[in-house]
Amino acid sequence: EVQLVESGGGLVQPGRSLRLSCAASGFTFDDYAMHWVRQIPGKGLEWVSGISWNSGIIGYADSVKGRFTISRDNAKNSLYLQMNSLRAEDMAFYYCAKERRKMATIRYFDLWGRGTLVTVSS
Amino acid sequence: DIQMTQSPSSLSASVGDRVTITCRASQSISSYLNWYQQKPGIAPKLLIYAASSLQSGVPSRFSGSGSETDFTLTISSLQPEDFATYYCQQSFNTPYTFGQGTKLEIK
Repeated sequence: EVQLVESGGGLVQPGRSLRLSCAASGFTFDDYAMHWVRQIPGKGLEWVSGISWNSGIIGYADSVKGRFTISRDNAKNSLYLQMNSLRAEDMAFYYCAKERRKMATIRYFDLWGRGTLVTVSS
Repeated sequence: DIQMTQSPSSLSASVGDRVTITCRASQSISSYLNWYQQKPGIAPKLLIYAASSLQSGVPSRFSGSGSETDFTLTISSLQPEDFATYYCQQSFNTPYTFGQGTKLEIK
């Protein structure tokens, strides 16, 4: 089955760290760029970070730059998000998403995980 | 960053209605515009990519149009399962910003 499954969310105190994981199955993981998107409950979607198939191109939203680190292990079909110095405003559902690319420049997210909830509170 | 603005923020409609949601980009994004549907407690689902291309498996009552800065998502005849929140997203450059969402409710 083609799917993405996130894990690693939970309750964490402000200033602490958390590492999210996303396990991919059913497709050739190292053929695709991957992304993290978050959503505060009841609010809209925010792109957080993305990584190319070979980790050569990485990008971050300004809101997380310098605190979050995206990485991947193609041998393990896994995507990660290391989140440091967590703030109350980082509290959200975190989704991993697979990027599909057509004709080199058309990009869209065609597969999403179910999300994992990160709660930042003392 | 490119700002994406959707209108309306919410919309009430009836089964069988034709509905249009608009999305405006703060600068030209060519046709690098995607539409997603999200139901409560469920991850977003891709409907339309590259402004007007229907994702495989998505009903043909969904269509998209537009280019540069102005885009629309149209549902030709609303079905009960279409009541959800819809988001546009630009994929012209990072950060891949989303619109604030349009919540489609039953009248």
